[in-house]
Amino acid sequence: SQQGEEDPQALSIQEGENATMNCSYKTSINNLQWYRQNSGRGLVHLILIRSNEREKHSGRLRVTLDTSKKSSSLLITASRAADTASYFCAGITGGGNKLTFGTGTQLKVEL
Amino acid sequence: NAGVTQTPKFQVLKTGQSMTLQCAQDMNHNSMYWYRQDPGMGLRLIYYSASEGTTDKGEVPNGYNVSRLNKREFSLRLESAAPSQTSVYFCASSDPIAGANVLTFGAGSRLTVL
Repeated sequence: SQQGEEDPQALSIQEGENATMNCSYKTSINNLQWYRQNSGRGLVHLILIRSNEREKHSGRLRVTLDTSKKSSSLLITASRAADTASYFCAGITGGGNKLTFGTGTQLKVEL
Repeated sequence: NAGVTQTPKFQVLKTGQSMTLQCAQDMNHNSMYWYRQDPGMGLRLIYYSASEGTTDKGEVPNGYNVSRLNKREFSLRLESAAPSQTSVYFCASSDPIAGANVLTFGAGSRLTVL
């Protein structure tokens, strides 16, 4: 499988803390994306980082990409209870344009 | 603007029954996808359609068929449902933005096969 692996599988933090989740692939990846999924809902695109970028910011989100290590990280700063959701990385592996998703990190932000 | 609409939202089938999941998008996207989501497995691609008139297998196509009816609609059919097909199914669409496929997802269809 070319599926990405995410670490940790689950993360529980207090409101106001930072949350970091990591994503790694066994094959080379292009244009890594992160998505969020609230319980019982569809996935929503958060941010895209291209292969020639090393870091990208969007509001409270910071994403890094290391193509040599085939890995990416998502940092959510000053977390809020509303950030409670599952987070998935997704990248194009092995050519073509099919997006392959990671296994996801379940984030719980407690008040 | 509805985005991606999937029907039905819930369905219970008996083993061997057939059904079709419907998906429609109103964003004029060229590409459409069907994924399944199982606990601990993330999302796995079943089939996708890069453009109207074309379809291609994804990672887990066995037991499924698809039809790209027109640019808006992409249906997923289970000809003879099996308990292993119990899952949540997501339809998505995209239009490549400078080489990156950013997907817009539907709300999902929860299928139980008894």
